[in-house]
Amino acid sequence: DAGVIQSPRHEVTEMGQEVTLRCKPISGHDYLFWYRQTMMRGLELLIYFNNNVPIDDSGMPEDRFSAKMPNASFSTLKIQPSEPRDSAVYFCASSWGRTNEQFFGPGTRLTVL
Amino acid sequence: KNEVEQSPQNLTAQEGEFITINCSYSVGISALHWLQQHPGGGIVSLFMLSSGKKKHGRLIATINIQEKHSSLHITASHPRDSAVYICAVRSSWSQGNLIFGKGTKLSVKP
Repeated sequence: DAGVIQSPRHEVTEMGQEVTLRCKPISGHDYLFWYRQTMMRGLELLIYFNNNVPIDDSGMPEDRFSAKMPNASFSTLKIQPSEPRDSAVYFCASSWGRTNEQFFGPGTRLTVL
Repeated sequence: KNEVEQSPQNLTAQEGEFITINCSYSVGISALHWLQQHPGGGIVSLFMLSSGKKKHGRLIATINIQEKHSSLHITASHPRDSAVYICAVRSSWSQGNLIFGKGTKLSVKP
């Protein structure tokens, strides 16, 4: 298996633009997690899905953030409109089972100017 | 106060040295994870433990539930061990989501 795949790896955009981050989990995994990593706050859970259904989105910072999982092999995290404080590395991870080892994607480094 | 505290924040060692990274937490947990983040940014899970000790190669992880403390040890350190090591706990009350420490940046010099 290729592991968790994320795209793009780097994204530079201007404030106010829409940003879409993409994730393909490991085949067969039933949980998908979106995390954000910043120097100040470290890794933080944004949202997670179980069998394509959003379970806990309490970490989503505000209404500008939305996430979807239309099928078992694809998820998106969208920021609209983007702001400079959204600059961070966004990781997607997947696991089989809620509490088992999570496998992380390579991350998307987002810079909002 | 952060729920998960790691020490030290930064650590520089010479090749071959024995290294210890500490993690203390303030919440009840069902499990503790140690993760490694490579200089390129990728994150790999090293250990998941809820009691006692686990060993994988030159890496050893221990946990003391009563003291709410875990340590990650690296024996015979090597420059390729240079990375950020992150402690994460699975809280037993917050729907079991992972809570992460800020990480310990390790640099091993040849």
